Amino acid sequence: EDKVVQSPLSLVVHEGDTVTLNCSYEVTNFRSLLWYKQEKKAPTFLFMLTSSGIEKKSGRLSSILDKKELFSILNITATQTGDSAVYLCAGPRGTSGTYKYIFGTGTRLKVLA
Amino acid sequence: EAGVTQFPSHSVIEKGQTVTLRCDPISGHDNLYWYRRVMGKEIKFLLHFVKESKQDESGMPNNRFLAERTGGTYSTLKVQPAELEDSGVYFCASSHRRATNEKLFFGSGTQLSVL
Repeated sequence: EDKVVQSPLSLVVHEGDTVTLNCSYEVTNFRSLLWYKQEKKAPTFLFMLTSSGIEKKSGRLSSILDKKELFSILNITATQTGDSAVYLCAGPRGTSGTYKYIFGTGTRLKVLA
Repeated sequence: EAGVTQFPSHSVIEKGQTVTLRCDPISGHDNLYWYRRVMGKEIKFLLHFVKESKQDESGMPNNRFLAERTGGTYSTLKVQPAELEDSGVYFCASSHRRATNEKLFFGSGTQLSVL
């Protein structure tokens, strides 16, 4: 059965710390892996990773995919209280023309001032 | 550009009643998805529309759930009759094209509470 597993489930850090969030997946017909940030309402898109070993960066956030090990990490450096959110990892699966996204349970990050 | 909008944001109903959730995707997005998050669990796929056609409804829990997307624009998800275990947050998401990797744009969700 396809699955996406995230760890840790929850994390509490202080401002300025660096955190690494993990996502492992077993998805048939793997296409890409997506990271989302969910604060209060709608999950917002962070990264889409399709190729192994290529780091994607956006400000203090970065992510990388290891297709061989079926693994991705999301790094956040110099964390701020505004980074507090649930971070979701998702893997689309399916064949051409029809695919759905399998989500992990998320990692709840709380950054303390 | 308007994002994905969902209505209502929160609905509280009694067991046995009917509820209809609405989703307006981003204009021009052919793909429309419904997802549900039950407390403490992961976001789970319910179904996928491509325009007005149901592409994949393998995640629909049972026949009390009915989704439609008449005209390929907005979609509704009706639960009839609602049961306690239907409580959760129902998310709608849309994306632009079919056959390539496309990121999902999510609505803010409808929090459904069945009492």
